[in-house]
Amino acid sequence: GESVGLHLPTLSVQEGDNSIINCAYSNSASDYFIWYKQESGKGPQFIIDIRSNMDKRQGQRVTVLLNKTVKHLSLQIAATQPGDSAVYFCAENTNNAGNMLTFGGGTRLMVKP
Amino acid sequence: DGGITQSPKYLFRKEGQNVTLSCEQNLNHDAMYWYRQDPGQGLRLIYYSQIVNDFQKGDIAEGYSVSREKKESFPLTVTSAQKNPTAFYLCASSRSRNGETQYFGPGTRLLVL
Repeated sequence: GESVGLHLPTLSVQEGDNSIINCAYSNSASDYFIWYKQESGKGPQFIIDIRSNMDKRQGQRVTVLLNKTVKHLSLQIAATQPGDSAVYFCAENTNNAGNMLTFGGGTRLMVKP
Repeated sequence: DGGITQSPKYLFRKEGQNVTLSCEQNLNHDAMYWYRQDPGQGLRLIYYSQIVNDFQKGDIAEGYSVSREKKESFPLTVTSAQKNPTAFYLCASSRSRNGETQYFGPGTRLLVL
C-alpha cells in the first residue's frame, strides 16, 4: 500500500505492550480535540474525541488525556495489537464557524509481533 | 469510512488537463471539506462548504475549484493551474455546528502522467 508519511516520528512497540502517542496543540482557545487513525492508503478513521471541559476520556482500549496547561494531548492504547499499526493524527477545533480542524503532523505506530 | 464515498480510488492526469474528484455522503451532513495529504505532512484544507450553494477557500485553494449544488455531493476539480497535483485527496463531512467530528472518505490518489 501507499505510505501516508515518509518522515513521520515513529513509535515502535511490542505486541501486548501499552502505547502512548503524544501531540502538542497550538491554540489555547481550542476546545475540541480528536484522534484519528490512518492506515496506509486509506482515509483517517475517528478513534476518540475530548472536549476542553474534560481531562480524560476512555474508549475501548484507548484513553485520551488532555493537559490544557501545557497544551498537550495524548492517546494511550492498551495491549497494542498488530492491527493498531498505522499513522495517528490529533486534530484541534478552535470554536470557529466553519467547524474547521487543524491537524498535527502525525505519528507512525509500528507494532512488533 | 462511514457514509462517505470517493471515486475514483486512483486518477491519472495528463499535463494541462482538468480532472474532477467525486465525493458523496449519505450522512445528511451540512458541512463538507476537501483536504490534500502529501507524504510526511499532515492534512491541508483546500476548500470547505457549510451549506448548499456556498463554499469557502481553505489554506491551499489555488489551482482547485469546487461546487456544492446538492447537499450530498461536493466535487473537487484539479485544474491545469495546479502545478504539483500529485497527492492523496481526502473528503470529509460533518454536522455544521462547531465542535462536530469530521468523518473521512477513503481518499483518491492523483498521479500525473
